[in-house]
Amino acid sequence: DTEVTQTPKHLVMGMTNKKSLKCEQHMGHRAMYWYKQKAKKPPELMFVYSYEKLSINESVPSRFSPECPNSSLLNLHLHALQPEDSALYLCASSQDGMPPAGGYTFGSGTRLTVV
Amino acid sequence: GENVEQHPSTLSVQEGDSAVIKCTYSDSASNYFPWYKQELGKGPQLIIDIRSNVGEKKDQRIAVTLNKTAKHFSLHITETQPEDSAVYFCAASYQTGANNLFFGTGTRLTVIP
Repeated sequence: DTEVTQTPKHLVMGMTNKKSLKCEQHMGHRAMYWYKQKAKKPPELMFVYSYEKLSINESVPSRFSPECPNSSLLNLHLHALQPEDSALYLCASSQDGMPPAGGYTFGSGTRLTVV
Repeated sequence: GENVEQHPSTLSVQEGDSAVIKCTYSDSASNYFPWYKQELGKGPQLIIDIRSNVGEKKDQRIAVTLNKTAKHFSLHITETQPEDSAVYFCAASYQTGANNLFFGTGTRLTVIP
């Protein structure tokens, strides 16, 4: 298995809702990432987990809460989002080491719309 | 942090012609330079990468060159095909406790049949 699987593919939520994005990989990668991508822009790093521990939080608002239950799973819990948070949310994974052997593998993303 | 600039932002070529996209980076500590292709509605897909101890790498119609002294690297696509049409991102990376990728602003490539 050489894929990063993200669910759901599309999500529409109200500003008072609580929802979660899920990401799964079975490549044995020990680093996992959340990126946010607005239309016609490059992906922007949100969080990095290394060996299931949060190692980078790029000053992301607390309405985004990441969780890494085990080495294969990464969640992003959403609460009280704003319309400007609408974007494509990408999950990625990589081997440890710099540079990581095999590079970074991205999922297809969750298209989030906040209404 | 690292700053990656990418040019051009849009590029149109005739099918069969070559396409070149250029990137510059700011931090001499960067040592890994991947290129990603992103099609509409999909995540970025790695197409080729190069490490700082290598000056050039080729994979069929795709090649990447790296000039560490000038801090720039380029993507070359030869014999372009309509299915090459997509947004291409360059990126640079160095270890900061955990791996991190810094992306360029992207190039929308259109191959005209």
